Amino acid sequence: AQSVTQLGSHVSVSEGALVLLRCNYSSSVPPYLFWYVQYPNQGLQLLLKYTSAATLVKGINGFEAEFKKSETSFHLTKPSAHMSDAAEYFCAVTSSNTGKLIFGQGTTLQVKP
Amino acid sequence: EPEVTQTPSHQVTQMGQEVILRCVPISNHLYFYWYRQILGQKVEFLVSFYNNEISEKSEIFDDQFSVERPDGSNFTLKIRSTKLEDSAMYFCASSGGGGITEAFFGQGTRLTVV
Repeated sequence: AQSVTQLGSHVSVSEGALVLLRCNYSSSVPPYLFWYVQYPNQGLQLLLKYTSAATLVKGINGFEAEFKKSETSFHLTKPSAHMSDAAEYFCAVTSSNTGKLIFGQGTTLQVKP
Repeated sequence: EPEVTQTPSHQVTQMGQEVILRCVPISNHLYFYWYRQILGQKVEFLVSFYNNEISEKSEIFDDQFSVERPDGSNFTLKIRSTKLEDSAMYFCASSGGGGITEAFFGQGTRLTVV
């Protein structure tokens, strides 16, 4: 079975500060990992994904994530937060041929001026 | 840019009534999904659909639920007899391939059962 844990349901940073959103996974098979973002009143949008190529993955809007097998982690970072980054962020895992995604609980990112 | 569209955006229904949530996936996609998110909880997988049949479903997806692709463009989720605990945001998604292919999500339908 697979699972995802996102540490911190709510993260608050100042504009320009580092963003770090934590995600740990559990999987008995090699995982494929995703970060999705949800802006208010919108659907989930893919930020980036890890598919067993490079362990450091770059995504849209300046976000990146590093896959660390030894730590079973896939934390999302951005060097400098922007007000427009305020949203809900979801980490997800799959190994299914059908593409079924298992999501974490989500982290709400607040960016203060 | 192609997108997944869901209708309605909000639906209020009485307990015991049947509801149909509608989705128009991206036109050349082959895999279709329904997820739900109960308020304050995580997004949960309900069902995946490929080649006109269910390819995988969760324990949540019991006999009260059904999915259909009635024509070449729509993908529907039917709940036969709604319960209070079915109140949630329901997301439709589609992808061009299974596995690691990116899934594109609709904006969701908020279902409220009263």
